[in-house]
Amino acid sequence: DTGVSQDPRHKITKRGQNVTFRCDPISEHNRLYWYRQTLGQGPEFLTYFQNEAQLEKSRLLSDRFSAERPKGSFSTLEIQRTEQGDSAMYLCASSTTDRGLTEAFFGQGTRLTVV
Amino acid sequence: QKEVEQDPGPLSVPEGAIVSLNCTYSNSAFQYFMWYRQYSRKGPELLMYTYSSGNKEDGRFTAQVDKSSKYISLFIRDSQPSDSATYLCAMSPAGGTSYGKLTFGQGTILTVHP
Repeated sequence: DTGVSQDPRHKITKRGQNVTFRCDPISEHNRLYWYRQTLGQGPEFLTYFQNEAQLEKSRLLSDRFSAERPKGSFSTLEIQRTEQGDSAMYLCASSTTDRGLTEAFFGQGTRLTVV
Repeated sequence: QKEVEQDPGPLSVPEGAIVSLNCTYSNSAFQYFMWYRQYSRKGPELLMYTYSSGNKEDGRFTAQVDKSSKYISLFIRDSQPSDSATYLCAMSPAGGTSYGKLTFGQGTILTVHP
């Protein structure tokens, strides 16, 4: 499989619970991004990694959100003490900077519903 | 005011029509411009990718960038019902800490009727 893979595809959780999502980028890509998309809106940037280093976090990302990319391969996004406002599609994308900036490819997303 | 503005539509056209989708932006640092197509409950799929000003054609799709006006367009010729989706414009600066970080428009919902 040469695409970006996200797991799980859907997650329903109760308010206050912690959730963790996983993203496996395209294997040769050194950049990995997380975005959040709510209904009727375009994706909004959350954070990104170059290899294992987290280079930027959006001000939208509260302290309840944390992301990691150990060894510069897959990445996880954890949300602690989930709130109903966290319900959204969480999208992962990857790209490579080896030949300048190339296009970012997205996974199918993880749809989170907080009840 | 948002950095990228896109008319959300919805836009409804008959099969075979030429479709024009547009975005305006305010950040002059944007140098990379992309169009994504997104079907319901799926991730965005890259359609077109351009750098700086000019035109790029790929099959039935043509992307145009006018940096002097801060305006980008996507044209779809001979539209098909399978083109029915949400179309997202996205942009990125070419340098600095935000290099590669995409700023998206709201998305335009397109329906092509048989």
